[in-house]
Amino acid sequence: GQSLEQPSEVTAVEGAIVQINCTYQTSGFYGLSWYQQHDGGAPTFLSYNALDGLEETGRFSSFLSRSDSYGYLLLQELQMKDSASYFCAGSTDKLIFGTGTRLQVFP
Amino acid sequence: DADVTQTPRNRITKTGKRIMLECSQTKGHDRMYWYRQDPGLGLRLIYYSFDVKDINKGEISDGYSVSRQAQAKFSLSLESAIPNQTALYFCATSDSGLAGDTQYFGPGTRLTVL
Repeated sequence: GQSLEQPSEVTAVEGAIVQINCTYQTSGFYGLSWYQQHDGGAPTFLSYNALDGLEETGRFSSFLSRSDSYGYLLLQELQMKDSASYFCAGSTDKLIFGTGTRLQVFP
Repeated sequence: DADVTQTPRNRITKTGKRIMLECSQTKGHDRMYWYRQDPGLGLRLIYYSFDVKDINKGEISDGYSVSRQAQAKFSLSLESAIPNQTALYFCATSDSGLAGDTQYFGPGTRLTVL
């Protein structure tokens, strides 16, 4: 089967760095995507890793290691507005979403 | 104006009723999806469509049906609603082609089945 596991919750303080991990059990994923969802809102795209390594987009970076079936989202210089849920998603001809990680940022 | 819209935004219904949730998009995308979201379970795919003539079952299609009326419209029906279908439902679209295509989500429909 295809499944992606994430920690259910992560907490951090403003200005800190936090890493949200995603491990998956599947075959045939072309890559790994990350989405952000604020409470009451719709998921929005953050990043996509087609290849192993680090992709950087501003304060957010995402990493993929296919050999380890593992990826992570790194959020730097945390701000209160980063409090949200974050989902990894494996790409085939569609997306398979992980269980989601709720990030709480404290002042 | 929003690129992906869903109607209704909220709906309360009773067990056994037929419900239709509608999704429209102005992005010109071929691919459309219906997901449900439950606390702690992430987003699970119900049905997806890669073009007007293509409909595919997702992970949890039992109890649901869909209709792709046009490139821009994709509706989800619950023929006989049951309480465990209470959830937040999202429609999404993506452009055809490459893996990793960004999916664009509508605002969601919160459905409560009593």
